[in-house]
Amino acid sequence: GDSVTQMEGPVTLSEEAFLTINCTYTATGYPSLFWYVQYPGEGLQLLLKATKADDKGSNKGFEATYRKETTSFHLEKGSVQVSDSAVYFCALSGRAQKLVFGQGTRLTINP
Amino acid sequence: GAGVSQSPSNKVTEKGKDVELRCDPISGHTALYWYRQRLGQGLEFLIYFQGNSAPDKSGLPSDRFSAERTGESVSTLTIQRTQQEDSAVYLCASSLAKGAYEQYFGPGTRLTVT
Repeated sequence: GDSVTQMEGPVTLSEEAFLTINCTYTATGYPSLFWYVQYPGEGLQLLLKATKADDKGSNKGFEATYRKETTSFHLEKGSVQVSDSAVYFCALSGRAQKLVFGQGTRLTINP
Repeated sequence: GAGVSQSPSNKVTEKGKDVELRCDPISGHTALYWYRQRLGQGLEFLIYFQGNSAPDKSGLPSDRFSAERTGESVSTLTIQRTQQEDSAVYLCASSLAKGAYEQYFGPGTRLTVT
């Protein structure tokens, strides 16, 4: 079945560092890909998405490119802030049209 | 406008008791999903409803779990004869339709089975 594997955490960085959180997937067909974020004490919310190969999703300085050849959707940000501290989930929506999530990566940014 | 709401926010129950969790989706959203998030793990799909179509129950872990939805409104997730392994946060989400539409999540119900 469909599955998502993402970089294990926790990840701790200093403010203004470059961030990459790796995400790879297994799916039949051409899934849509998502990054969701869960800030401390808040509900899960969509950060960005891409619905076809080579699409780039972006929001709040974060970017991720749908790479069909490597079945990847890595999340990147050039300069992280303390306010980016959260748990990040990579997810896909495939033929079954339900979200399949990775296990989540906890990110902590130190000032 | 109002987002997805869930109740109760916390529920502590004794092993063997039944529990009922409620989800109020965003008005106009035809698709509704239930997920489970165990401590330190990702979200696990349980069930989804799309309009008047038969629900996709493929993620329900056992026949102790069931869910209902009235039209395109409220949904209830029922867990019968709760076990300690049922302890988790149960999340509800809704979207305009199934598929690649953004899912909006509620705050969750934290269930603790003692």
